[in-house]
Parts: sequence; structure tokens; C-alpha cells
Amino acid sequence: DGGITQSPKYLFRKEGQNVTLSCEQNLNHDAMYWYRQDPGQGLRLIYYSQIVNDFQKGDIAEGYSVSREKKESFPLTVTSAQKNPTAFYLCASSIVTFPIGHAGYTFGSGTRLTVV
Amino acid sequence: AQKITQTQPGMFVQEKEAVTLDCTYDTSDQSYGLFWYKQPSSGEMIFLIYQGSYDEQNATEGRYSLNFQKARKSANLVISASQLGDSAMYFCAMREQTSGTYKYIFGTGTRLKVLA
Repeated sequence: DGGITQSPKYLFRKEGQNVTLSCEQNLNHDAMYWYRQDPGQGLRLIYYSQIVNDFQKGDIAEGYSVSREKKESFPLTVTSAQKNPTAFYLCASSIVTFPIGHAGYTFGSGTRLTVV
Repeated sequence: AQKITQTQPGMFVQEKEAVTLDCTYDTSDQSYGLFWYKQPSSGEMIFLIYQGSYDEQNATEGRYSLNFQKARKSANLVISASQLGDSAMYFCAMREQTSGTYKYIFGTGTRLKVLA
């Protein structure tokens, strides 16, 4: 079955460390996205990529970095510059060209990051 | 400016009753899509229902229906015959095209609690 896999499900980071969250999809979707969700709040876009080797900043990109070397993979690195990284991170993918009907997002199951 | 507005941070409904979750949106595009997602406590995002801007009929999916009022720019979700398992966070989202790029914008969500 096609889908998106995020790993790990839970991640603990010490202050000052960089950590990388994995997101892999086998849906042949062109676009991939990273969102951050804080308790009781909505989704805020961190980065997105419409095509391999290209990505754009979202609304809250500071302290994060991404790469898109393969269509299937869009890892997110939370750097030490991100001062408040404790949150729930969701990865999503979608068709880019001419999405039909409810060809919206397919979401991963999320990674919960905690700074210890 | 907020493009998707969900004014109800939290809602309660009695089991077996119907409930309406509000969503208003703002766009100058003629072609756009509106989505509702459910997020249980486990964190995954579950697609519920979709409404295209050109669809003349309100979308329905089982117990979910979307009350689409284009002139008012509202896309309220109606859940009929509420069940305890409906307790979750609900997000309204809009897909719009900007400069050849499809972007998905989410509201801040409504937390629904179904009472036995």
C-alpha cells in the first residue's frame, strides 16, 4: 500500500543538538510539506518542495533546514538555532499538477519532538 | 490576514446529536478546494470531506456533510448522529493556486468533545 512514513514516532533532543526527522513517501507525489503543530493549535508550514532539488520556506522556516535529493524523501533537520523545538511535526505529500477533486494531502503519522 | 478562520476553539455535543463546526475562508481565486480533516489524540490527520468551488451540490460522506455557502465564503462541517469516537480535533483547510503553486492552508482547529 502506498503512503507516507515518518520516523521516529518520538524523538528526544538535548539542548544545542541538531536532529533530523525522516519522511518517506511511495505515492509518486511531486510535492512534500513539513508542518509544525503546537498543543491546541493549528498547522504551521515550515518548508515545502514541489520538485526534486528545490524547496521553499514556509511561514516558520527559521531554525529548520530541509533537503529534497530524491522524490520519495524530504527530511527535516531541526537545528540548534530553533529555540523552541518541542512540538508535533507532520509531513505531507500531494499531487502538484492539476489536482483532481479531493486529491489533497496525504499525511504521515507524525513525529513528536521533545527537548530534554 | 487569516485565510481560514475557525472561530470555535472547542465544542461539546451530546451523543447522537448533530453538531456544526464553523469555517470561513478568504480567497480571490475562482478555483479552490475546501477540506475537512479529523485529528484524533494519536495525531494522524484523517481526511473527511472535500468541496470544490465549482461544485453546486454540498458534499456528503456518510455522517459528514459540508454546508457550502460560496457567497458567504463559509464551509461548515455538519456531523450527524455524533458518536463518542468523533471526539477529536477538526481542521478546515483550503487548497488554492498561487503563481502556479498549489498551497494548502489550515485553520487553527476546533476541538470536539462528544458526551455520553
